Amino acid sequence: QSVLTQPPSVSAAPGQRVTISCSGSSPNVGNNYVSWYQQLPGTAPKLLIYENHKRPSGIPDRFSGSKSGTSATLDITGLQTGDEADYYCGAWDSSLSAGVFGGGTKLTVL
Amino acid sequence: QVQLQQWGAGLVKSSETLSLTCAVYGGSFSGHYWSWIRQPPGKGLEWIGEIYHNGETNYNSSLKSRVSISLDTSQNQISLKVRSVTAADTAVYYCARVGSNFYYYMDVWGKGTAVTVTS
Repeated sequence: QSVLTQPPSVSAAPGQRVTISCSGSSPNVGNNYVSWYQQLPGTAPKLLIYENHKRPSGIPDRFSGSKSGTSATLDITGLQTGDEADYYCGAWDSSLSAGVFGGGTKLTVL
Repeated sequence: QVQLQQWGAGLVKSSETLSLTCAVYGGSFSGHYWSWIRQPPGKGLEWIGEIYHNGETNYNSSLKSRVSISLDTSQNQISLKVRSVTAADTAVYYCARVGSNFYYYMDVWGKGTAVTVTS
């Protein structure tokens, strides 16, 4: 059971937009920053979004993040088949004094 | 550009100790936390723990009694040991740099080491 809650799967057609939610609580999402990671099949996770909404160099602006209260959202627009991957949210949990992740969301581009 | 290279035994017998090492190349070792994360087959990411360059550690409470993370600053290496392993410890283990302890995100990841616990 993950501390952060994500939908197990989402799907959309190429070119469309998809939203992945990440629900937490005050000690983690509510009072700390959220990051998002993309894990392509058979590879290590890659940082996609940090500080709730910032993108590392090289990440296209089709990927955007936001946070409100104890929930965060990853938006992906202009879906491409290469976006098929597992997506994880992460945060620090001040109560646990530990890093925490969501259970992951599998994105299928139909 | 910081790169993480990790290695260790891919097969560990049940009840023995899993040992992995992660070397940091191309960047400063100090000023960052260095973390270990694992991923059981077909499952999500689990944070194991982290170590600061001064040796300060934080551990996942569910693993704390069996896990130790250490560092060798002379070699820019971080090590993970998990004692008394069981099949539940079978996973791909990743080392990762914590890019900012205040904003908390992992910005550089190793390629992962697959570890299987055998009976």
